[in-house]
Amino acid sequence: QQQVKQSPQSLIVQKGGISIINCAYENTAFDYFPWYQQFPGKGPALLIAIRPDVSEKKEGRFTISFNKSAKQFSLHIMDSQPGDSATYFCAAPTLYKGAGSYQLTFGKGTKLSVIP
Amino acid sequence: EAQVTQNPRYLITVTGKKLTVTCSQNMNHEYMSWYRQDPGLGLRQIYYSMNVEVTDKGDVPEGYKVSRKEKRNFPLILESPSPNQTSLYFCASRQTGTFHGYTFGSGTRLTVV
Repeated sequence: QQQVKQSPQSLIVQKGGISIINCAYENTAFDYFPWYQQFPGKGPALLIAIRPDVSEKKEGRFTISFNKSAKQFSLHIMDSQPGDSATYFCAAPTLYKGAGSYQLTFGKGTKLSVIP
Repeated sequence: EAQVTQNPRYLITVTGKKLTVTCSQNMNHEYMSWYRQDPGLGLRQIYYSMNVEVTDKGDVPEGYKVSRKEKRNFPLILESPSPNQTSLYFCASRQTGTFHGYTFGSGTRLTVV
C-alpha cells in the first residue's frame, strides 16, 4: 500500500524565516501532489497543489517543489508569519483498484509554529 | 456555499451506546471518506465510498460501519463505541476526475467514557 513519509513532525521557525516540509512517496497514480493546511479546531483545507509536467508551483509565499526522479516533493513557506502556524499535510494520489479513479494518501502531518 | 457538513461537532458518550455521526455534502461529489485524527498518527482512513452503494474499508475500519444510500450522505456508525475510539473525526468528499483535492468537514470531536 502506498505510503507517504512526511518530515519533520514538528517545526519551529522565527517570524520572517523559511519553513520547509518534505514528503517522499513510493508510487503515485499520476503527478498531482496537494498540500493541506489545518488550523486548530478546523478541518484540513487545500492550500496549494502541483500538477504533471511542472517541477515548481508558487502561490504567494507558498511554493511546492517536485523531484520526480527522487520521488520527493516539498513545501516552502517564505517570510513565515505567526498566522502560518498550523498543521500541514502532504498527499499523493493512489489508484483505486485500477479502476481509473484514485484517492489521496496523506503524510502524518507537520505541526508548524512560527514565533514572533 | 459548497461544503461538507458534519454533525454533531462535539459528542461525549458512554461505552457501548450506539451512535451515528452524520456527513452531508452539497457538491454532488461521488467520492466520500471518513478519517480519524489522533496526535502523532495523522489522518487515518476508516472507510470510503466511490459512489452510491459502493463502500470499502480503509486502514482502520474495526468498530465502524458506514452506508451510502444517497450521493450526498455518508454516515459513520459506531455500534458499540469503546474508549479507544475517542478521537477527532473528519468526513471528506471529492469531485470525480483527476487533479481534484478533497473538501473536508469541520470535524467531530468524540469522547467515549
